[in-house]
Amino acid sequence: AQKVTQAQTEISVVEKEDVTLDCVYETRDTTYYLFWYKQPPSGELVFLIRRNSFDEQNEISGRYSWNFQKSTSSFNFTITASQVVDSAVYFCALSHNFGNEKLTFGTGTRLTIIP
Amino acid sequence: GAGVSQSPSNKVTEKGKDVELRCDPISGHTALYWYRQSLGQGLEFLIYFQGNSAPDKSGLPSDRFSAERTGGSVSTLTIQRTQQEDSAVYLCASTVEGGLGNTIYFGEGSWLTVV
Repeated sequence: AQKVTQAQTEISVVEKEDVTLDCVYETRDTTYYLFWYKQPPSGELVFLIRRNSFDEQNEISGRYSWNFQKSTSSFNFTITASQVVDSAVYFCALSHNFGNEKLTFGTGTRLTIIP
Repeated sequence: GAGVSQSPSNKVTEKGKDVELRCDPISGHTALYWYRQSLGQGLEFLIYFQGNSAPDKSGLPSDRFSAERTGGSVSTLTIQRTQQEDSAVYLCASTVEGGLGNTIYFGEGSWLTVV
């Protein structure tokens, strides 16, 4: 069975601070994919990143960076110099490629950036 | 359209009535998914379509829930004899083709309230 744990239910930081959102996953698959989605108040899930299990290189996209470590089954997400527009619920998700990419989501982390 | 389109965006219905939720996936996307997001809970998978067939219906919570897809495009999720516990956001998603680790794109969801 697959499982994704986002232990941080809510985080509040002051604008311009850095913040890291944790994601720990469990799977028996050797090939799998990890995702992060952002859900702003509008409700739409916005795709942020997709990483396959064979690529452990960290990735940076602007103020966003991701740290994938298979040894600890973690896929953490860091926002540098946070902005008010970053306020949202962030979901980590796991899928396998056994035919349908059904996503297993974590329960989400609500991030509030205080101006 | 450019993104996944869902209608209605909001629906209030009386307990016991049937409701239909519509999803129009991104043009050319063969795989389509329905998820449910209940208040205070994460996202749970309901059903997956590849083309017009549904190889995975494992997430449908009861036989009151059904879904169909026609023409490899639009999908309808039907909830019969709605109950208050059906109140949730129903999210539709699509991807180019299932089973290949492709990114899944979500719509803004249909907010269902059963009173």
